[in-house]
Amino acid sequence: GENVEQHPSTLSVQEGDSAVIKCTYSDSASNYFPWYKQELGKGPQLIIDIRSNVGEKKDQRIAVTLNKTAKHFSLHITETQPEDSAVYFCAASGAAGNKLTFGGGTRVLVKP
Amino acid sequence: GAVVSQHPSWVICKSGTSVKIECRSLDFQATTMFWYRQFPKQSLMLMATSNEGSKATYEQGVEKDKFLINHASLTLSTLTVTSAHPEDSSFYICSAPTGPHSGANVLTFGAGSRLTVL
Repeated sequence: GENVEQHPSTLSVQEGDSAVIKCTYSDSASNYFPWYKQELGKGPQLIIDIRSNVGEKKDQRIAVTLNKTAKHFSLHITETQPEDSAVYFCAASGAAGNKLTFGGGTRVLVKP
Repeated sequence: GAVVSQHPSWVICKSGTSVKIECRSLDFQATTMFWYRQFPKQSLMLMATSNEGSKATYEQGVEKDKFLINHASLTLSTLTVTSAHPEDSSFYICSAPTGPHSGANVLTFGAGSRLTVL
């Protein structure tokens, strides 16, 4: 089955700096790669996603890039703000319908 | 946007009792729902796929007699943790596909249900 690795597990940045989280996946048939933000005690919230026919997608301060050949994708958050502090999960799916396989998560702390 | 509602948000029960968690799709129908389990500071692990009108599909290593799933309508799936034990204490989260067309894999998650078994 699919295996998703996520790095780093924790990330501390100064407010205003950029944060980058990287994920690799194992199943070359995967074609959908969402990113979720989870705040303490809450369910994950979709923040951005990308499909395999696109190399990059941007939504205001958030961008995601995908390298299908290398089977890795990354989340970029620019001009970080304290409210960006949360746990971020990457995920991959496609080969098995709607099933999502999640990465291990990255705990992001934005210091004011 | 699409909303997935979970209830209860937290529950405490005694060891040996059963607990039911509900997952509802609001303003949309879900023939499939997914149940995840999350231990503290860990990732989400898929437990089972709930299928409306048929049996759930369980992931390897998940006991189907322990975690009973019922998807009796297009807007409701329930997870019952039977004979709960302290090791079943966890955060249980459901999700439903909310993509623009059937088969889409955009998932919307509920807020989760925290189970503590004493």
